[in-house]
Amino acid sequence: NAGVTQTPKFRVLKTGQSMTLLCAQDMNHEYMYWYRQDPGMGLRLIHYSVGEGTTAKGEVPDGYNVSRLKKQNFLLGLESAAPSQTSVYFCASSTLVDSYEQYFGPGTRLTVT
Amino acid sequence: LAKTTQPISMDSYEGQEVNITCSHNNIATNDYITWYQQFPSQGPRFIIQGYKTKVTNEVASLFIPADRKSSTLSLPRVSLSDTAVYYCLVETRNYGQNFVFGPGTRLSVLP
Repeated sequence: NAGVTQTPKFRVLKTGQSMTLLCAQDMNHEYMYWYRQDPGMGLRLIHYSVGEGTTAKGEVPDGYNVSRLKKQNFLLGLESAAPSQTSVYFCASSTLVDSYEQYFGPGTRLTVT
Repeated sequence: LAKTTQPISMDSYEGQEVNITCSHNNIATNDYITWYQQFPSQGPRFIIQGYKTKVTNEVASLFIPADRKSSTLSLPRVSLSDTAVYYCLVETRNYGQNFVFGPGTRLSVLP
């Protein structure tokens, strides 16, 4: 099992450019999440999904869009990047039973100049 | 959402027991208490979860008093590798997502 993987690991964008971050999980989890973490801060939930074809807003959704066309993949899009979106982005997945434990990916470090 | 409060930072020495307390005065009947650990440049990792009383696993214990308004994560005999940020979450088990990661407690284990 690879667990949760994220692509790419690093990216530098110019203001106004767009990009998509890919998250994939091979644990057949129903829930998937996107977080951002700014230096010295905790994680803030951007969007989440409770199943294929469904998405919902988290704490800080503005400037981001998501899609979950397949159960194993959760995409995070930035349509017009801004310097305020410079952050480390983490994806996670969890099941709906037992502890609802979230399994996190290694993160994507994004810099917007 | 139940708000959580934790100390911002703690120092300890190798071999000591470390207790990190989290306050969650507004916890609801259906809420669970979960702790995560995060090392620099890595995603958080699940440590332990509980509903009431005491839970123990191979890495930690979680103590929850009867009123459930606080919880204490106990790490026995810490080592340098336990230096990390520890997050306390209160999670509601229903459709959707109801939890918030706070700023966490930065634990520094000194030799």
